[in-house]
Amino acid sequence: QVQLQESGPGLVKPSQTLSLTCTVSGGSISSDSYYWSWIRQPAGKGLEWIGRLYPSGSTNYSPSLKSRVTISLDTSRNRFSLKLSSVTAADTAVYYCARGAATGTMRLDPWGQGTLVTVSS
Amino acid sequence: QSVLTQPPSASGTPGQTVTISCSGSSSHIGSNTVNWYQQLPGTAPKLLIYSNNQRPSGVPDRFSGSKSGTSASLAISGLQSEDEADYYCAAWDDSLNGPVFGGGTKLTVL
Repeated sequence: QVQLQESGPGLVKPSQTLSLTCTVSGGSISSDSYYWSWIRQPAGKGLEWIGRLYPSGSTNYSPSLKSRVTISLDTSRNRFSLKLSSVTAADTAVYYCARGAATGTMRLDPWGQGTLVTVSS
Repeated sequence: QSVLTQPPSASGTPGQTVTISCSGSSSHIGSNTVNWYQQLPGTAPKLLIYSNNQRPSGVPDRFSGSKSGTSASLAISGLQSEDEADYYCAAWDDSLNGPVFGGGTKLTVL
């Protein structure tokens, strides 16, 4: 059973870069059947897709975040990462990683437990 | 403001059937399948329904989904207290080349 676990600093200063890692266990991150995604959720609000990465290295990012986002793969450690630059208080949220089905339904399953990142000086 | 439109709240008593709606447009719901996610308090979202009406293994058949045109619905029958959660619809957006979500519906079991 595939499991995902986010990790990274819980506090980031404004204008700095948020960096998170999602470690995948129980399955290979290199499988062509899936892509790997980041989603965030501000407190009390809904879900916002950040972007996705295929094992091939191909990426898609949300247009609203594209200029600040990088998602990368580390196949040797079976994990993928998120970097979000020039953060502001508006980037404070719980950040989730999730596996996406590469074809058909495009469903996101499973999800990591989420990690809260607060942007504050 | 979310791309897909859901009612912010819904409620029902134990045993009742509750339906949650999700409306969108031709660029997402109208041309792609709809998935539903359940988020229990303090936990991560969990896939509840995929491909409009398919249930992943382990999801009770009390949960069902449907889609018509640019709208979709989630029905929960035999409502139970443990169904209290936020429910989100989602669909692939061809313009975004990524998923879009509804704003979520908070279900209260009275």
